[in-house]
Amino acid sequence: AQSVTQLGSHVSVSEGALVLLRCNYSSSVPPYLFWYVQYPNQGLQLLLKYTSAATLVKGINGFEAEFKKSETSFHLTKPSAHMSDAAEYFCAGTYSGAGSYQLTFGKGTKLSVIP
Amino acid sequence: KAGVTQTPRYLIKTRGQQVTLSCSPISGHRSVSWYQQTPGQGLQFLFEYFSETQRNKGNFPGRFSGRQFSNSRSEMNVSTLELGDSALYLCASSLVIAGRTTYEQYFGPGTRLTVT
Repeated sequence: AQSVTQLGSHVSVSEGALVLLRCNYSSSVPPYLFWYVQYPNQGLQLLLKYTSAATLVKGINGFEAEFKKSETSFHLTKPSAHMSDAAEYFCAGTYSGAGSYQLTFGKGTKLSVIP
Repeated sequence: KAGVTQTPRYLIKTRGQQVTLSCSPISGHRSVSWYQQTPGQGLQFLFEYFSETQRNKGNFPGRFSGRQFSNSRSEMNVSTLELGDSALYLCASSLVIAGRTTYEQYFGPGTRLTVT
């Protein structure tokens, strides 16, 4: 079964510093991959997606992620952290089942931004 | 375009009771998926509906069920509630093109269920 692993349940960065959130997948076939963000008491918002086109994917709010098949990774980065980036981030992958795509999520990484 | 809406947002129930949660997808989205989010288990897939049929099901007991109506709105039901069912239940909708769900899933704000 496919799995998604996020390294680090909690990451702290200073405002203006680089944000790096790590995600690795395990699948014999590269899945479609996503990063979602969740603010307190809210649902999940899609940040960006990889669907086998470009390996460097740009998303909303200045985030981007690079798909590396050799490393089975899809790490999320942002050059300069902003206070509003403080939230929980989830990496997710999909595989096709019966014509649908169910998401398999990592455990999440809570990002704190220090002023 | 309005997003995915879920009602109610918060719910408190007692062990042994049953509960029904509702989800209205984005207009034009015909696939609806449900996920359970808990601190211990994280986000787990419950089931997915399309065209009033369950197409995919996660590893949850039969107490968890759902249905979809002709207007694509969906409900999920949990019978004989247990303390461990306390969670945030998230609904997500997706476009379906030529019978296949597209990759992006758009989530609602969730229903926070507390079982006492």
